[in-house]
Amino acid sequence: SQTIHQWPATLVQPVGSPLSLECTVEGTSNPNLYWYRQAAGRGLQLLFYSVGIGQISSEVPQNLSASRPQDRQFILSSKKLLLSDSGFYLCAWTQTRGLAFFGQGTRLTVV
Amino acid sequence: DQQVKQNSPSLSVQEGRISILNCDYTNSMFDYFLWYKKYPAEGPTFLISISSIKDKNEDGRFTVFLNKSAKHLSLHIVPSQPGDSAVYFCAASGYGGSQGNLIFGKGTKLSVKP
Repeated sequence: SQTIHQWPATLVQPVGSPLSLECTVEGTSNPNLYWYRQAAGRGLQLLFYSVGIGQISSEVPQNLSASRPQDRQFILSSKKLLLSDSGFYLCAWTQTRGLAFFGQGTRLTVV
Repeated sequence: DQQVKQNSPSLSVQEGRISILNCDYTNSMFDYFLWYKKYPAEGPTFLISISSIKDKNEDGRFTVFLNKSAKHLSLHIVPSQPGDSAVYFCAASGYGGSQGNLIFGKGTKLSVKP
């Protein structure tokens, strides 16, 4: 069966520090991979999606970037965090169109 | 521009009664709709879906209704149970390219009181 791992679960980082969140999927090949952010009152906002290795599409301009160095690995990064980057970050994968499976999420607090 | 709207941020229902969560969408290219349930500090889990060729899909206590002409869908939970208390997200996707990505509403927090 397919599983998705996302870590860390919680993270407190100072403003201006770098960020790296990692997500890996097991039990499937060539999945579509997504990074979402849930900010207070904003619902689930799609940040990045990837249909293959090295292929990244950004949905909103922001202080973050994403990379997909391997088929089942998706990384969310920032060189310098802002206070506004705080939120709950979720990685997801799909194979069948539309049906997405989510990781447990990372609670990021920028202080 | 919000393509998927859940206009009620919260809903409180008595145990055993019906919960009705509503969702509206604006993009006529959407043809697949899903409901997700989310507990605090966890990822959303898939609940039920419906494609645009149907107007109703039922799974146990959960039923989703789709009104394409009104661009409106709703999730009915009958009977509601305290364990149903969570945030419910409506999501939609279209066909082809980035339209296949899931677009979520802001969520409705359901509280089922014993």
